[in-house]
Amino acid sequence: DAGITQSPRYKITETGRQVTLMCHQTWSHSYMFWYRQDLGHGLRLIYYSAAADITDKGEVPDGYVVSRSKTENFPLTLESATRSQTSVYFCASSGAGPKDYGYTFGSGTRLTVV
Amino acid sequence: AQSVTQLDSQVPVFEEAPVELRCNYSSSVSVYLFWYVQYPNQGLQLLLKYLSGSTLVKGINGFEAEFNKSQTSFHLRKPSVHISDTAEYFCAVYTGGFKTIFGAGTRLFVKA
Repeated sequence: DAGITQSPRYKITETGRQVTLMCHQTWSHSYMFWYRQDLGHGLRLIYYSAAADITDKGEVPDGYVVSRSKTENFPLTLESATRSQTSVYFCASSGAGPKDYGYTFGSGTRLTVV
Repeated sequence: AQSVTQLDSQVPVFEEAPVELRCNYSSSVSVYLFWYVQYPNQGLQLLLKYLSGSTLVKGINGFEAEFNKSQTSFHLRKPSVHISDTAEYFCAVYTGGFKTIFGAGTRLFVKA
């Protein structure tokens, strides 16, 4: 199906473990983003990518790693999960840039770190 | 620093009543403003956007917003809400460099 798909939808992991959240889009959008959503904070940008092999830090990048070897995939890795990384994570994409077109969001991954 | 403030965390309203969700922003550069809606257990969907031109912007599902430069506001309105409009609404401002700042959200609860 066309769209932006995140997996898994739900994940429970232990403190200190590495976990990877997947994001796949079928529109060949150039721009992709990872946000985390926490109560009272709205959405905060973790990392973004303007094209394959081009990534940059957002507002809250510490403890996260991204890669973008293919245009359609933008995985987010928590190198050593901490309880403060318990959150809902949203992947988003934008064709010509969020200034003119806004974002298209995935359905999110709810991550719990115990 | 640029910021977005949504003045109400929750707005309860009866079905078929009008509603206004308030948003104020601070920005030192040209503004590009957005409203998104998030239904339970879903990602955000774009409702409408202001890039330039007419200050009254119409979006999907009967929503509209008015850009007021002097008051640095971008309030969202709907003349008659439905139960199905129950959701969380986010105001956002594009700040440049492919980055957007989102407000903390307003939960709209429509009662029968």
